[in-house]
Amino acid sequence: DTAVSQTPKYLVTQMGNDKSIKCEQNLGHDTMYWYKQDSKKFLKIMFSYNNKELIINETVPNRFSPKSPDKAHLNLHINSLELGDSAVYFCASRGTTSDTQYFGPGTRLTVL
Amino acid sequence: AQSVTQPDIHITVSEGASLELRCNYSYGATPYLFWYVQSPGQGLQLLLKYFSGDTLVQGIKGFEAEFKRSQSSFNLRKPSVHWSDAAEYFCAVGASGSARQLTFGSGTQLTVLP
Repeated sequence: DTAVSQTPKYLVTQMGNDKSIKCEQNLGHDTMYWYKQDSKKFLKIMFSYNNKELIINETVPNRFSPKSPDKAHLNLHINSLELGDSAVYFCASRGTTSDTQYFGPGTRLTVL
Repeated sequence: AQSVTQPDIHITVSEGASLELRCNYSYGATPYLFWYVQSPGQGLQLLLKYFSGDTLVQGIKGFEAEFKRSQSSFNLRKPSVHWSDAAEYFCAVGASGSARQLTFGSGTQLTVLP
């Protein structure tokens, strides 16, 4: 069973479109994250949710809107996609009593 | 603010040779330190972690890392590299707040020669 899953794995779209990426974890964790990996493979935190509440919101354009319908899911919606949004987006989760994050397989977003 | 430096962008070793990947961190308190590995087209897999206690930590796949507070380092080592170890390796430090978000280094690409 996959612990942290993301859909889709690949996403190719045109500039200006709106798209969503979904993340689900079956580990019973309370905290979930979105990280962005750019073309140089640099990974940076975007958002973090704890029990459906936003607790970290890094300097990310407000075109990016995370949503957590329940503590097992964290989705990322992106409006008006730009070329610079092309990246791999990773979801991760962590249990309350642990400092270890478990990562999903990533979603490669390509904006044309 | 915390930061992580991986000074080697790319390392090439022969199969069977030993390996050391360098990681230096900047953090005000006792850090939570991690090494993750990313194979091509894959997600991030945790190799090992250090929170406290014994400064030499063992991980999966025969990797180990040593925490040296005086040098602000957490270098990853493996005595004998296998071809399947070729991948990107990331060192990370965890924040102490409620989110515990990770700050990653820029990664080291490992190539293994036959």
